[in-house]
Formats: sequence, C-alpha cells, structure tokens
Amino acid sequence: GEDVEQSLFLSVREGDSSVINCTYTDSSSTYLYWYKQEPGAGLQLLTYIFSNMDMKQDQRLTVLLNKKDKHLSLRIADTQTGDSAIYFCAERSSGYSTLTFGKGTMLLVSP
Amino acid sequence: KAGVTQTPRYLIKTRGQQVTLSCSPISGHRSVSWYQQTPGQGLQFLFEYFSETQRNKGNFPGRFSGRQFSNSRSEMNVSTLELGDSALYLCASSPGQVNNEQFFGPGTRLTVL
Repeated sequence: GEDVEQSLFLSVREGDSSVINCTYTDSSSTYLYWYKQEPGAGLQLLTYIFSNMDMKQDQRLTVLLNKKDKHLSLRIADTQTGDSAIYFCAERSSGYSTLTFGKGTMLLVSP
Repeated sequence: KAGVTQTPRYLIKTRGQQVTLSCSPISGHRSVSWYQQTPGQGLQFLFEYFSETQRNKGNFPGRFSGRQFSNSRSEMNVSTLELGDSALYLCASSPGQVNNEQFFGPGTRLTVL
C-alpha cells in the first residue's frame, strides 16, 4: 500500500532556513501536501503541489517535488520560533479524497 | 468564514461505553472526512462522506461508524470503546467532489479509561 516517510526531528536556529524532507511510494499520487500542527491544535494546511509541478513558492515556503525519486521537500526561509511545530507530509491519489500522512517531523526553532 | 468546528473538544469515557463526535464543516463545503491520530499509528483515515453518502472507508472495525446530514454536518460513533480508541479525532472539510484542499478542525481528544 501507500507509504509516506519523514524524518522525525529537525532543530534549527532562528533566522536559518529549515528543510523538511518526505518520500512517498504511490506513483499515482496526484497532490502532495504539507500540514502544520501546533500543540493541542488540529492540522493547518500550509501548501500543496500538483504532481506535474516541480516547485511551488508561497512567501517563506518553497516546495520542491522530484517525481522520479518520489521526494518532496518543504523549505522554510528565515525560520522563526513561531514555526516550531510538527510538520506532516501527505499524499492524495488520483480519484480519491483520502490523504495518506507521514508520521510528522518535529521542528524545533531555538532563539 | 468560520472554520471547521468539532464538539466536544475533550471527552473521557470508560471501556465498553459508546461515544458520538460531531463535526460542522466550513459553510458551503459538502465533503467531510474523519481521521484518527495516535502517537503510535499517526494519522489514519476513518471515512469520508459527500452529500450524505459514505464515499470511502478506512481499515477500521465496524465499531466505528459515521453519517452525514443534509446540512453537511457529520457525526462519528464508536461503540464498545476500547483503551486503544484513545486518540485525537480530526474532521476535515472540503468543498466538493474534487477535494484538492482539506481543512481540518481542532479535533476531539477522546480518552478511554
């Protein structure tokens, strides 16, 4: 079945760039998503990319997609302490609404 | 526009009881999906409803059920609760049939004692 893998933890200093990586196995994935979850909260949709794109930029966020290697990354420029949270990568296959999530990457931003 | 609302936010039950959780999607959204989040298994899909019909179902036992009303509000029910059902239950709302964006509510934290 589908599988989405992420590294579990990333620590950066305030002002640095953060890069969170994700790999997926389902070759029929059509959309790939990044969600943010703060403690005690639900999931906040940050951005998503269609599988025929290789890059999407949205303010401080840049998503890169390597479809051949099934690798997705989220770059956060000028990381702030308020960016500390768990980031989830998710994929959606063609014809379905179901999201398959990775286990999440905890991002810790230190001053 | 108001976001996705879920009630109650917190719930404590004992084994063997049943529970009903409620989700109100964003106004105008017709699709509601439910996910279970646990530390061990992460986020797992439960089911999805569109226009009062269950469109897709995840790999959960029959104790987990749901429904959607004509106003798009959805409920999920868990019968004969087990300790392992303790989790954060998240509801996601989408505009319609092609759900490129799914917006999540704050979740209901269920604790089974």
